[in-house]
Amino acid sequence: GEDVEQSLFLSVREGDSSVINCTYTDSSSTYLYWYKQEPGAGLQLLTYIFSNMDMKQDQRLTVLLNKKDKHLSLRIADTQTGDSAIYFCAEKPRLTGGGNKLTFGTGTQLKVEL
Amino acid sequence: GAGVSQSPSNKVTEKGKDVELRCDPISGHTALYWYRQSLGQGLEFLIYFQGNSAPDKSGLPSDRFSAERTGGSVSTLTIQRTQQEDSAVYLCASSLTGTSGDTQYFGPGTRLTVL
Repeated sequence: GEDVEQSLFLSVREGDSSVINCTYTDSSSTYLYWYKQEPGAGLQLLTYIFSNMDMKQDQRLTVLLNKKDKHLSLRIADTQTGDSAIYFCAEKPRLTGGGNKLTFGTGTQLKVEL
Repeated sequence: GAGVSQSPSNKVTEKGKDVELRCDPISGHTALYWYRQSLGQGLEFLIYFQGNSAPDKSGLPSDRFSAERTGGSVSTLTIQRTQQEDSAVYLCASSLTGTSGDTQYFGPGTRLTVL
């Protein structure tokens, strides 16, 4: 079945790097996503990675994908207070067919301390 | 509009009442999704519309839940005879084509509280 797991909470100091981890179970996943949710707001797509890639970098964000271990991570360099939010990883399993129905993790709440 | 909008932003209702939640997708987006975000349970897929195709209703938790999308644009999610376990944030998203890798843009959600 489809299951995506994340740790619930992460606290870092401003300026440090944050690493948010995610594990998934569906090896047929085609795309894996990271979304950010700030209080009272909807989900904002941060980045995504196609399953045939193992790394993607976008400014302060680095996504690492280990398909063998079904492990996805999001590294935020030079974490700022504005990065405080809940981060969700999500997968699009191949077996869902057409469309882009996503399976989300439970979210990791990132708290950035001064 | 600039983004996906949802109304109302908050809804408090009594157990047993029916509620309707509305979603206005980004203009021109052919795909529309409803998700539910319950406390401690992450986001759960409910239903997906793509153009004129029959919707994918595989995520609806019971027959008390239904949704429609009129004219390929606005969508309404209806919950009949609400129960306390229906309390959650209901999120709507739209995407341009609904194909793999297509970015989903989310609205701010409707927070439903069933007393």
